Amino acid sequence: GQQVMQIPQYQHVQEGEDFTTYCNSSTTLSNIQWYKQRPGGHPVFLIQLVKSGEVKKQKRLTFQFGEAKKNSSLHITATQTTDVGTYFCAGQDSNSGYALNFGKGTSLLVTP
Amino acid sequence: EPEVTQTPSHQVTQMGQEVILRCVPISNHLYFYWYRQILGQKVEFLVSFYNNEISEKSEIFDDQFSVERPDGSNFTLKIRSTKLEDSAMYFCASRDPGQSYEQYFGPGTRLTVT
Repeated sequence: GQQVMQIPQYQHVQEGEDFTTYCNSSTTLSNIQWYKQRPGGHPVFLIQLVKSGEVKKQKRLTFQFGEAKKNSSLHITATQTTDVGTYFCAGQDSNSGYALNFGKGTSLLVTP
Repeated sequence: EPEVTQTPSHQVTQMGQEVILRCVPISNHLYFYWYRQILGQKVEFLVSFYNNEISEKSEIFDDQFSVERPDGSNFTLKIRSTKLEDSAMYFCASRDPGQSYEQYFGPGTRLTVT
C-alpha cells in the first residue's frame, strides 16, 4: 500500500531560523495536504497542493509539490515560537479515494 | 466558525468492554471520517462514510469496529470488546465536497483501555 515518509522526525531551532520538513510518497498522489497539530491538539488543515510543481505561500510558510507528484516540502522562514507543533503531510492517491495517508510528522520546537 | 465536536473528551474503559465514541460533524458536510492516533505516533485512517454507508476502510478497521449515523447529526464509532492496544486518541473529521479536499478535525476522544 501507499507509504508516506516524512523527515526529519524532530527539529529544534532558535527563533528566527528557517525550518523545512520533507515528505515522500511511494506512489503518485492526486493531492497532498499539510496539517499542523499543536501539543495536545488536533490536526488543523494548512493547505492542499494538487498540481505538479505547485508552489503556494502563506505568509512565512512555503509549500511545494514535486513535479512527479510524489514529494512535497514545507518551509517556514524566520520561525516564531507560535510555530511550535507537529507538521504532518497527508497524501491522497487514486487508489485510496479520499482517505488521508499521514506521514509520521515533524515535531518543531522553537526556542526564543 | 462551524466546528466538529466530539464526546466524550476522555473515555476510560476496561478491556473487553464496548465503547461508543460520538461525533457531530459540521452540518452541511457530507463525508465523515474516523482516524486514530496512538500516543506519539502518526494519525491513522480508519474509515470514511458517505451517503449512509462506508466508502473506504483501512486494515485497522476490522470486525471489532463499526460506524453509524443514527440521526441527521451524529456520527458514531463503536469498538466492541476493547483491547489494550485500542488505547489512542480518536479523531472524527468531516468534509464538504464542494470545498476541495480539506478535512475538518474534531478535538478528539482519548480512549484509555485498562
